[in-house]
Amino acid sequence: KQEVTQIPAALSVPEGENLVLNCSFTDSAIYNLQWFRQDPGKGLTSLLLIQSSQREQTSGRLNASLDKSSGRSTLYIAASQPGDSATYLCAVRTNTDKLIFGTGTRLQVFP
Amino acid sequence: DAGVIQSPRHEVTEMGQEVTLRCKPISGHNSLFWYRQTMMRGLELLIYFNNNVPIDDSGMPEDRFSAKMPNASFSTLKIQPSEPRDSAVYFCASSLGGSVEAFFGQGTRLTVV
Repeated sequence: KQEVTQIPAALSVPEGENLVLNCSFTDSAIYNLQWFRQDPGKGLTSLLLIQSSQREQTSGRLNASLDKSSGRSTLYIAASQPGDSATYLCAVRTNTDKLIFGTGTRLQVFP
Repeated sequence: DAGVIQSPRHEVTEMGQEVTLRCKPISGHNSLFWYRQTMMRGLELLIYFNNNVPIDDSGMPEDRFSAKMPNASFSTLKIQPSEPRDSAVYFCASSLGGSVEAFFGQGTRLTVV
């Protein structure tokens, strides 16, 4: 059974810092991995999608890497801003087409 | 496209009543997922469909929960009878196959009193 874990569970940093959020999964047989952002009381917004054959994807200040063999992904946020404050979730798409979510990292960036 | 559309956005009902949540996936998408989100358990996958066919419903918590997808543009999640512990936010998501992004609706916040 695929299990997805994210650490840390919560993170509070001053504006301008570079951040690394971690995601690990137990079964390496995946189609892809997707990072989402969720603001309080809102839905999920897709940030990045990494296919199983890829090593990383970049979008603006965000960079996500994938090491499928070790069951790990990281989301790197450069020069963090207060507007980045949200919960960040990773999700793996299994080879049976399930989309399984991690526990999330709650990020707060203060001015 | 308007994205994944869920209705209602908020639902308050009394214990024992039937509740029906609705989802319209993005046009052309052939995979549809129903999730439940709570503070204690995070995002739990309840059921997912591929080409309107339920593929895995192992996450449906009890027989009180049922889901249907009568056509490619509409799905329902029904709880009958509802209980206070069903209170949560229910999300619907859709994607075009397994290799592309999944997109989420805004969710239905269900409160059972």
